[in-house]
Amino acid sequence: DTGVSQDPRHKITKRGQNVTFRCDPISEHNRLYWYRQTLGQGPEFLTYFQNEAQLEKSRLLSDRFSAERPKGSFSTLEIQRTEQGDSAMYLCASSSYEGNTEAFFGQGTRLTVV
Amino acid sequence: AQSVTQLGSHVSVSEGALVLLRCNYSSSVPPYLFWYVQYPNQGLQLLLKYTTGATLVKGINGFEAEFKKSETSFHLTKPSAHMSDAAEYFCAVLNTGNQFYFGTGTSLTVIP
Repeated sequence: DTGVSQDPRHKITKRGQNVTFRCDPISEHNRLYWYRQTLGQGPEFLTYFQNEAQLEKSRLLSDRFSAERPKGSFSTLEIQRTEQGDSAMYLCASSSYEGNTEAFFGQGTRLTVV
Repeated sequence: AQSVTQLGSHVSVSEGALVLLRCNYSSSVPPYLFWYVQYPNQGLQLLLKYTTGATLVKGINGFEAEFKKSETSFHLTKPSAHMSDAAEYFCAVLNTGNQFYFGTGTSLTVIP
């Protein structure tokens, strides 16, 4: 399977704990996106990488959120001191710099903070 | 600034009837426009896209959309709904900063 892969698919954590999600994009894609989706809403942009460079961060991405893409391949999204409001689906997507411009999405990580 | 408005958060159609999901966008430059479909607890799957060229775009599963610049619209249609079309549909615009902006989605219900 050469699609976008996210791990884990589901995460339940207690408030105040730290969590980390992983995204493996399509191998030849150099752009990687993180989105957050809550029930009944469309995906909201969090951050965007081109290769290893984090080019843009949303204001939604508070200081408790950090994302990395150290070698321009996989990416991690960490949430520190989780709050109940962080409960959402976290979606990763990748796209190619050239050619097709659409983003290919992973199946998401559903985070529940209890 | 780019934004997307999807009119109608819920649409119900009978099986075999026309599907029409509405999307209007605002963009300061010629947009790249997309429709994605999402099934429960799944990621988003591309249905179709408009970048340049022909304004009537055909996608997967019999869906198509027409880019109308004068109306700033990119409505999604399908001549005959199938039960398997029941899902959440999102319109999106890609801005010059390579960010995708999504609408709030339209939930399609197909009535047998």
